[in-house]
Amino acid sequence: QKEVEQNSGPLSVPEGAIASLNCTYSDRGSQSFFWYRQYSGKSPELIMFIYSNGDKEDGRFTAQLNKASQYVSLLIRDSQPSDSATYLCAVVNSGSRLTFGEGTQLTVNP
Amino acid sequence: KAGVTQTPRYLIKTRGQQVTLSCSPISGHRSVSWYQQTPGQGLQFLFEYFSETQRNKGNFPGRFSGRQFSNSRSEMNVSTLELGDSALYLCASSLAGPQGDTQYFGPGTRLTVL
Repeated sequence: QKEVEQNSGPLSVPEGAIASLNCTYSDRGSQSFFWYRQYSGKSPELIMFIYSNGDKEDGRFTAQLNKASQYVSLLIRDSQPSDSATYLCAVVNSGSRLTFGEGTQLTVNP
Repeated sequence: KAGVTQTPRYLIKTRGQQVTLSCSPISGHRSVSWYQQTPGQGLQFLFEYFSETQRNKGNFPGRFSGRQFSNSRSEMNVSTLELGDSALYLCASSLAGPQGDTQYFGPGTRLTVL
């Protein structure tokens, strides 16, 4: 079992729709959870982090964390073509190591 | 505040050679982590340095090594290069380390091994 797994892509949504990205992790001792966005040929850039169970909103982005289910998600409301990128879920495990999922490629169609 | 910088941005080497990559963290950041990104394996953790000490290490062979200087700048070295070492090498810095602290990535060094 991979430490961090993301829903397989690619994911395609129309402009203005909600994009839902999911991630599960295996280490119950994980405490910190991050979503990064990576455009083709660029390095990852942080979108959001979440530490506590529940929802965290930042503009059009909402991160959701459920530690009991070992599940993290990212919702992007009113998706724009500029949101087209690969989204990486990252988890700091009990060994203080940041582990990434393989990423979900999102395409927002105008 | 200036971001994380990495040099060089592109490198072409041949099998058997060695390479040194450099990373300058954001001012004030004491933790530097290195990652390898390939299409097949994704982003994989190499090692993390904090205050000149290696604090954590990923599952890479001993050909991969690193160090950190007193000004928090870090270098990583790959010896006896193999074709499979072709990848984007990313460094990320944070104030105190990955746990509970956000990491900011540099632009990466793209290494091609021929």
